[in-house]
Amino acid sequence: GQQVMQIPQYQHVQEGEDFTTYCNSSTTLSNIQWYKQRPGGHPVFLIQLVKSGEVKKQKRLTFQFGEAKKNSSLHITATQTTDVGTYFCAGMTTDSWGKFQFGAGTQVVVTP
Amino acid sequence: NAGVMQNPRHLVRRRGQEARLRCSPMKGHSHVYWYRQLPEEGLKFMVYLQKENIIDESGMPKERFSAEFPKEGPSILRIQQVVRGDSAAYFCASSPVTAGLGQPQHFGDGTRLSIL
Repeated sequence: GQQVMQIPQYQHVQEGEDFTTYCNSSTTLSNIQWYKQRPGGHPVFLIQLVKSGEVKKQKRLTFQFGEAKKNSSLHITATQTTDVGTYFCAGMTTDSWGKFQFGAGTQVVVTP
Repeated sequence: NAGVMQNPRHLVRRRGQEARLRCSPMKGHSHVYWYRQLPEEGLKFMVYLQKENIIDESGMPKERFSAEFPKEGPSILRIQQVVRGDSAAYFCASSPVTAGLGQPQHFGDGTRLSIL
């Protein structure tokens, strides 16, 4: 079955530095969503990518969808303490409409 | 506009008892998703429902687990004869149409289920 892998599992970042988290699917995706979950909180939707090679930006966050629609990345520049949390990607395939497979997440810790 | 409401926030059950988790989607949302999350892990899809219909329950164990989303009232995730391994956070999410059609999933605060 479909598997979504995320790396790294943990990311320790100095405040002000950049980092990237990667999401890889074993199967071609129709679209991918990214969520952020703060400690003790619930996932909050960040963005959805649909097109091959798509790039979207939200302030310091840049999201990419690979050409083959099997991988995606989230790049954060000038990390701030408010970026602390776990970032999940969630992919959907055309043969499982509405069902999203979540990655295990990248847990981000920011050091002031 | 109230968000997705889940209750209870915390639920403690003894082995063998039944657990009922409730989820009221956002107003105007007719699609509900249930996920299970263990500490330090991602969300595992359990079931996707529309009003009065189960669309995909491929992530739900065949035994002891059931879900419904009646025409009126909240969606219910029911776990019968609970075991220690059922301890987890259960999140519900809703969307106005199928989430894949560009709609985000709006999550509730979850129910933390603890089995003694």
